[in-house]
Amino acid sequence: EAGVAQSPRYKIIEKRQSVAFWCNPISGHATLYWYQQILGQGPKLLIQFQNNGVVDDSQLPKDRFSAERLKGVDSTLKIQPAKLEDSAVYLCASSLDEQYFGPGTRLTVT
Amino acid sequence: QKEVEQDPGPLSVPEGAIVSLNCTYSNSAFQYFMWYRQYSRKGPELLMYTYSSGNKEDGRFTAQVDKSSKYISLFIRDSQPSDSATYLCAMMNYGQNFVFGPGTRLSVLP
Repeated sequence: EAGVAQSPRYKIIEKRQSVAFWCNPISGHATLYWYQQILGQGPKLLIQFQNNGVVDDSQLPKDRFSAERLKGVDSTLKIQPAKLEDSAVYLCASSLDEQYFGPGTRLTVT
Repeated sequence: QKEVEQDPGPLSVPEGAIVSLNCTYSNSAFQYFMWYRQYSRKGPELLMYTYSSGNKEDGRFTAQVDKSSKYISLFIRDSQPSDSATYLCAMMNYGQNFVFGPGTRLSVLP
């Protein structure tokens, strides 16, 4: 069974630039999550999708972050404009019951 | 007080030692308790999953939950260098999202 795929694996941008991350969940998993993991901290949920509908985006900074999951499969997370404090690993996970995490995208904002 | 706190580490032990990893939490509504292992530059992977209070054993790993004390533990017996990773506790109430602890980094020295 293929795992959760994410790209790119690494990204370096300057502050005020925009960036987008892509996630392909495990086939058949209806629930998809985006987490932000700052160095030395546990993952923090940004947004949860059930199929292509948003279940929880209460911790998503909506003034700069957006996410979509068209057709209930792949998802993209965008940051525009980026700030220095957005430097983190962005993890995508999908689940039927147990959550399976992708390898993450390491974002550095300079 | 943070919702979930975890021994900060890092923790270094010799191969074969018994390791104890601990988390405390403040939300008495949590009912599901998980331990994740995260290798460097990888996403977290589920190790143990426990519902409510009690013990659960899986090979060299034992998870304990004491809801009266709001305290959970993960014990690793006969620790191996391959156990070197960051260990994250996570917990949730049904229908709500995960809250992760900040993680404890473990090094098992050969």
